[in-house]
Amino acid sequence: QKEVEQDPGPLSVPEGAIVSLNCTYSNSAFQYFMWYRQYSRKGPELLMYTYSSGNKEDGRFTAQVDKSSKYISLFIRDSQPSDSATYLCAMAISGNTGKLIFGQGTTLQVKP
Amino acid sequence: NAGVTQTPKFQVLKTGQSMTLQCAQDMNHEYMSWYRQDPGMGLRLIHYSVGAGITDQGEVPNGYNVSRSTTEDFPLRLLSAAPSQTSVYFCASSYSGRPSYEQYFGPGTRLTVT
Repeated sequence: QKEVEQDPGPLSVPEGAIVSLNCTYSNSAFQYFMWYRQYSRKGPELLMYTYSSGNKEDGRFTAQVDKSSKYISLFIRDSQPSDSATYLCAMAISGNTGKLIFGQGTTLQVKP
Repeated sequence: NAGVTQTPKFQVLKTGQSMTLQCAQDMNHEYMSWYRQDPGMGLRLIHYSVGAGITDQGEVPNGYNVSRSTTEDFPLRLLSAAPSQTSVYFCASSYSGRPSYEQYFGPGTRLTVT
């Protein structure tokens, strides 16, 4: 079993919908939680990060971490066709943040 | 800044051949990593380095070697290519201090082993 599990989808939604992307993990030592976005045939780019538990909001994006359930989420409000990409969660242990463990990635398509 | 560069962009190898994937960064980052990406598997860490002369294994190190003689370069060597190594390979770098979780990725190398 992988340390980080993510439903690969694909997920298809109409423009304007609220999108929920999720990951579960098994290693309780993870302290840094990240979401990367990857457009087709490109390298991933950091979208959001959260340290330990709680919520973080950035524009249309909200990241949530529930360490008690070992569950993290990314919400996208008012989704746009330009949000169509693969979203990867990633996690790291405090003090070793150069070593990231990624989920499988969820492919999202937002239809106009 | 060029950021993280990778060469070649595409490569076809025959089973048993060896080759080196090149990775360079010009941001003076201490951390560098190699990942492979396969359909439905996400990014899997092959090897990583926390500084020149220091490397460690990731999740899937078998069949690959690395060395880090300079801060800028982190080549990945395939010793004897196998079809199971057909994949897209990404190199990434980050600062050693916070926020070292922000890894900057190169454009990738698409490798096919026949």
